[in-house]
Amino acid sequence: DTEVTQTPKHLVMGMTNKKSLKCEQHMGHRAMYWYKQKAKKPPELMFVYSYEKLSINESVPSRFSPECPNSSLLNLHLHALQPEDSALYLCASSQDWDPSGYTFGSGTRLTVV
Amino acid sequence: QQQVKQSPQSLIVQKGGISIINCAYENTAFDYFPWYQQFPGKGPALLIAIRPDVSEKKEGRFTISFNKSAKQFSLHIMDSQPGDSATYFCAASPLYNFNKFYFGSGTKLNVKP
Repeated sequence: DTEVTQTPKHLVMGMTNKKSLKCEQHMGHRAMYWYKQKAKKPPELMFVYSYEKLSINESVPSRFSPECPNSSLLNLHLHALQPEDSALYLCASSQDWDPSGYTFGSGTRLTVV
Repeated sequence: QQQVKQSPQSLIVQKGGISIINCAYENTAFDYFPWYQQFPGKGPALLIAIRPDVSEKKEGRFTISFNKSAKQFSLHIMDSQPGDSATYFCAASPLYNFNKFYFGSGTKLNVKP
């Protein structure tokens, strides 16, 4: 299995809702990432987990809350989002010593209404 | 400050032609330079990558040229095909601390039949 699987593929949520994005990989990768990508822009790093511990938080607002329950799963909990948070949310994973295995999922298209 | 500058923003090439995308960087700590290909609604996928100990790397129709002294690298797509139409991102990072890729701004390539 060489894929990073993200669910759901599309999500529409109101500004008062709570929702979660899910990411799963079975490649044995020990680093997992959340990125945000706006239209016609490059991905922007949000969080990095290394060996299930949060190692990088790129000053992301607290309305985004990451969680890494185990080495294969990564969640992003969403609460009280704003319309400007609408974007493609990408998960990625890698071994921590080999950048060539850095693999992105297909993303969750999030719309905040 | 943008760590990696990419040009052009968009590119139109006839089928069979050569597509050339350029990137430049300033940080001399960067020593891993991947190129990612992204189709609409999909996550970026690693296309080809280079390390600064070589000046060129070729994989099929895709070639990276690297100029360490000028701190520039470029992607050449030979015999461009309509299926190559996508957005291409260059990136850079230190090889052994690649948790954070610095992405270029992206180039939207359109290969006309």
